[in-house]
Amino acid sequence: AQSVTQLGSHVSVSEGALVLLRCNYSSSVPPYLFWYVQYPNQGLQLLLKYTSAATLVKGINGFEAEFKKSETSFHLTKPSAHMSDAAEYFCAVSGGYGGFKTIFGAGTRLFVKA
Amino acid sequence: DAMVIQNPRYQVTQFGKPVTLSCSQTLNHNVMYWYQQKSSQAPKLLFHYYDKDFNNEADTPDNFQSRRPNTSFCFLDIRSPGLGDAAMYLCATSREQQSETQYFGPGTRLLVL
Repeated sequence: AQSVTQLGSHVSVSEGALVLLRCNYSSSVPPYLFWYVQYPNQGLQLLLKYTSAATLVKGINGFEAEFKKSETSFHLTKPSAHMSDAAEYFCAVSGGYGGFKTIFGAGTRLFVKA
Repeated sequence: DAMVIQNPRYQVTQFGKPVTLSCSQTLNHNVMYWYQQKSSQAPKLLFHYYDKDFNNEADTPDNFQSRRPNTSFCFLDIRSPGLGDAAMYLCATSREQQSETQYFGPGTRLLVL
């Protein structure tokens, strides 16, 4: 079965600092990987998606993620945090032997300090 | 402009009183999903429709049911809400099932008194 682990339920950074949110997945075949963002009292919005076309995926709002098969990781980064980045971030996996079902990680709440 | 719409955004119901949440989409997607999300947790898939085919998750309580009368609309019925059913309910759509991006509505927050 596929699974997703997000390391750190809370991450706090200063405005302008690097953002790094960690995601590890388990899958016997390369899956499809996603990062979604959820602002308070809103639904989830796709940040970026890995589909095996390129290991470095660029998303919206300056975020990017790198697929590393050897580490089974798909960490999300942004060079410079902005106050508006404060939100909950979910890593998700789909496809492969898991079929259609999208498995979400537990989420990481990002705090940005002024 | 909104692609996945959920009504109402906030719903208050009484313990045991049936409630219906609605979702509509303008994307003409084949798949519609209902998720339950409790505070600081990942969304939990309750069921999904592929076109008219209903697919229930094994651990979804019988108290939860769904209807999809047409491509655009999908309803979540909670027959006898309990205090534990208070949560955010998210509707999502995708074009096809396999590995597709899901488009989420803003959610309906359900409060059970």
